[in-house]
Amino acid sequence: GAVVSQHPSWVICKSGTSVKIECRSLDFQATTMFWYRQFPKQSLMLMATSNEGSKATYEQGVEKDKFLINHASLTLSTLTVTSAHPEDSSFYICSARDGWDTEAFFGQGTRLTVV
Amino acid sequence: DQQVKQNSPSLSVQEGRISILNCDYTNSMFDYFLWYKKYPAEGPTFLISISSIKDKNEDGRFTVFLNKSAKHLSLHIVPSQPGDSAVYFCAASERNTDKLIFGTGTRLQVFP
Repeated sequence: GAVVSQHPSWVICKSGTSVKIECRSLDFQATTMFWYRQFPKQSLMLMATSNEGSKATYEQGVEKDKFLINHASLTLSTLTVTSAHPEDSSFYICSARDGWDTEAFFGQGTRLTVV
Repeated sequence: DQQVKQNSPSLSVQEGRISILNCDYTNSMFDYFLWYKKYPAEGPTFLISISSIKDKNEDGRFTVFLNKSAKHLSLHIVPSQPGDSAVYFCAASERNTDKLIFGTGTRLQVFP
């Protein structure tokens, strides 16, 4: 199946700094990618839809100025957590789909810890 | 507003028996449903899917059933194996959209 690669797999940063997470589709072109966040023992919550060449679409309650998404090409989307705060510590996962009636492929996830 | 719900947070099944994981949804516009398996600190891996035009889809030990009138789907795993122990998420999407909405997950434990 298709491969989605996410980097880094884990990162520790200090409060107030920014962290960038990359998501790449390795063998298909993804005009749309999705960013999820998972809290411990909770579901995957959709944060935003990343659209190649245009602005991301954020879900209700997600701060777009805090979670910057850039979909620079058909194979790369980045999520930047700006001015990180300990409450931003979480597991972030990206995904991409080939079409609306196909499975979504997920990256490996990124464990962010803000200290 | 949780559009996709998995009311059982955990399930324990003996090896060799059937595991049945349930999922309910509220959005009648959903027409494609998927099941994912997830281990801690990893991304979900796809298991099986079903379109709303079907009521059953089978792939090896995994079978998904869809009851549109009840807005309910279930995943059957038979026979269950210890390696099936993980968290299972159901997910749904609307026609012509890529966005997946996930359920809350059910932790399955298969014991010998």
